Amino acid sequence: AQSVTQLDSQVPVFEEAPVELRCNYSSSVSVYLFWYVQYPNQGLQLLLKYLSGSTLVKGINGFEAEFNKSQTSFHLRKPSVHISDTAEYFCAVTPGQAGTALIFGKGTTLSVSS
Amino acid sequence: SAVISQKPSRDICQRGTSLTIQCQVDSQVTMMFWYRQQPGQSLTLIATANQGSEATYESGFVIDKFPISRPNLTFSTLTVSNMSPEDSSIYLCSVEGPRGVPSYNEQFFGPGTRLTVL
Repeated sequence: AQSVTQLDSQVPVFEEAPVELRCNYSSSVSVYLFWYVQYPNQGLQLLLKYLSGSTLVKGINGFEAEFNKSQTSFHLRKPSVHISDTAEYFCAVTPGQAGTALIFGKGTTLSVSS
Repeated sequence: SAVISQKPSRDICQRGTSLTIQCQVDSQVTMMFWYRQQPGQSLTLIATANQGSEATYESGFVIDKFPISRPNLTFSTLTVSNMSPEDSSIYLCSVEGPRGVPSYNEQFFGPGTRLTVL
């Protein structure tokens, strides 16, 4: 069965610092990978996704992620964070086929302070 | 993309009662998914609802506790039956993007229903 591991439950950073949120997945088949963000008391919003092609994926709000098949990782990065990036971030995976649900990691709380 | 609405947005219920959550999508979709997000936790899939057939439940979830209806391609309901405080969670419905567009294989989420059971 597929699983997703988010290696850090909480990541505190200062404003304008770079950040990396780590995600590893386990799967023996092709997968689609996603990062979602959940701001306090709000729903889930897609940041970016990897389906195929270029391993470096750019998303909204200046975020990017790199798919590394050999390390089964999909780490999320941002070169300079803002206070407004404070939120819960979820990595998710699904098999590369239609009609299948997402499997989510436990989430990483990003706290940006000034 | 798909726009999803859920009703109610939140509710406070007494233990032993039931609550039905509605999920409406602005386009026809084959699969709808129901997730639960317990306080401070990640999302866990409850069941997959395909129009015209019985929902498929994940391990740990049963139809008697979480009956699901899927009467057409744009609507689904999830009922939380005989509630206890442990059922206090956010319940979210989700759909896959329509085929033939860039958002295909992306899942869209409703705003969620925040349930508190006393």
